[in-house]
Amino acid sequence: EAGVAQSPRYKIIEKRQSVAFWCNPISGHATLYWYQQILGQGPKLLIQFQNNGVVDDSQLPKDRFSAERLKGVDSTLKIQPAKLEDSAVYLCASSLWMNTEAFFGQGTRLTVV
Amino acid sequence: DAKTTQPNSMESNEEEPVHLPCNHSTISGTDYIHWYRQLPSQGPEYVIHGLTSNVNNRMASLAIAEDRKSSTLILHRATLRDAAVYYCILRDPTNNAGNMLTFGGGTRLMVKP
Repeated sequence: EAGVAQSPRYKIIEKRQSVAFWCNPISGHATLYWYQQILGQGPKLLIQFQNNGVVDDSQLPKDRFSAERLKGVDSTLKIQPAKLEDSAVYLCASSLWMNTEAFFGQGTRLTVV
Repeated sequence: DAKTTQPNSMESNEEEPVHLPCNHSTISGTDYIHWYRQLPSQGPEYVIHGLTSNVNNRMASLAIAEDRKSSTLILHRATLRDAAVYYCILRDPTNNAGNMLTFGGGTRLMVKP
């Protein structure tokens, strides 16, 4: 069974530029999560989708971050404009339903310089 | 909002059992106790979960106190590959807010050869 796919694996951008991350969840998984993990900390939930609807986005900085999940499958997370403090690993995860085991991708490591 | 408390770090010798504690004194009757771990440079992975009774699977055992205010993840024979950050998380499947997969700081387990 294929796992959660994320791309790119690494990205370096200058502050004030924009960047987008892509996630392809495990086939058939209704729930999709995006996390931000700053070095030395646990992952912080940014947004959770159930199919193509948003369940929770209370910790998403909506002035610069946006996310969508078209057709309830793939998802993209965008940052515009990026700040230095956005440097982190961005993790995507999916689960069959909201209270089932979550499977994580390898993450995208973003460096903002 | 129930939370968990874990030691920041623990050390173990290879091939010895490891007991990772988690305190959750404000746990509600519908909270499940979940454990995830994160190996270096990887996304988190599910380990085990339980409600009231002790649970066993191929990766670990979960011992839950009778009053459910604490739990212990048991690795029966630690290997070098078990060196990771272990997260104890409460999830309440009866409501969206309580069902969030929210990570704290976790316990960093170091395994000595």
